[in-house]
Amino acid sequence: RKEVEQDPGPFNVPEGATVAFNCTYSNSASQSFFWYRQDCRKEPKLLMSVYSSGNEDGRFTAQLNRASQYISLLIRDSKLSDSATYLCVVSEIGTISNFGNEKLTFGTGTRLTIIP
Amino acid sequence: DAGVIQSPRHEVTEMGQEVTLRCKPISGHDYLFWYRQTMMRGLELLIYFNNNVPIDDSGMPEDRFSAKMPNASFSTLKIQPSEPRDSAVYFCASRRSSRDKSSGANVLTFGAGSRLTVL
Repeated sequence: RKEVEQDPGPFNVPEGATVAFNCTYSNSASQSFFWYRQDCRKEPKLLMSVYSSGNEDGRFTAQLNRASQYISLLIRDSKLSDSATYLCVVSEIGTISNFGNEKLTFGTGTRLTIIP
Repeated sequence: DAGVIQSPRHEVTEMGQEVTLRCKPISGHDYLFWYRQTMMRGLELLIYFNNNVPIDDSGMPEDRFSAKMPNASFSTLKIQPSEPRDSAVYFCASRRSSRDKSSGANVLTFGAGSRLTVL
């Protein structure tokens, strides 16, 4: 089983619709969670961190379910500019006792295309 | 802040040639990471450094790959000899360490990547 699993898509969604992605992780000791966005032929960029209580940033809502070991990303009122690949990222604390020594594991990404 | 700077942006080479990729992290960032991205395998961590010291190189595919960080502002990833299966986009990323273990404290900033094609 992969450490971080995502549905690769593609998701083709009409403009204005709501779309949701899930991501599952295998290590129950995982500490931090993020969603990164990657545009075609560009580098990944942080979209938002995912907090235990869930968090919202404009049209984007991220949620964490530790019991089921998944995180989700919800995009409301989708825009053409939301078309990208969304990468789920999970952080595990390394075995060395070092507050900076964390391993980030990336999912392979979910590709989203917003259709006019 | 110029961000993480990588060079070259694109490289096309023939099998057997040596390839050197370069990275300048963000000033003040003490962690530097090298990732490789392919369609099939996604983003894979190759190696990372803390304060110029390699911490984990378990992701380096084989002895043909080597990475160095001679100082806080420069790192190289070298492939010698290169093979067609090394074709990928290689990303360098950096971040700073923090005592704050909250989710927002360990954000990676990526460079634009080096797209390598080995013929």
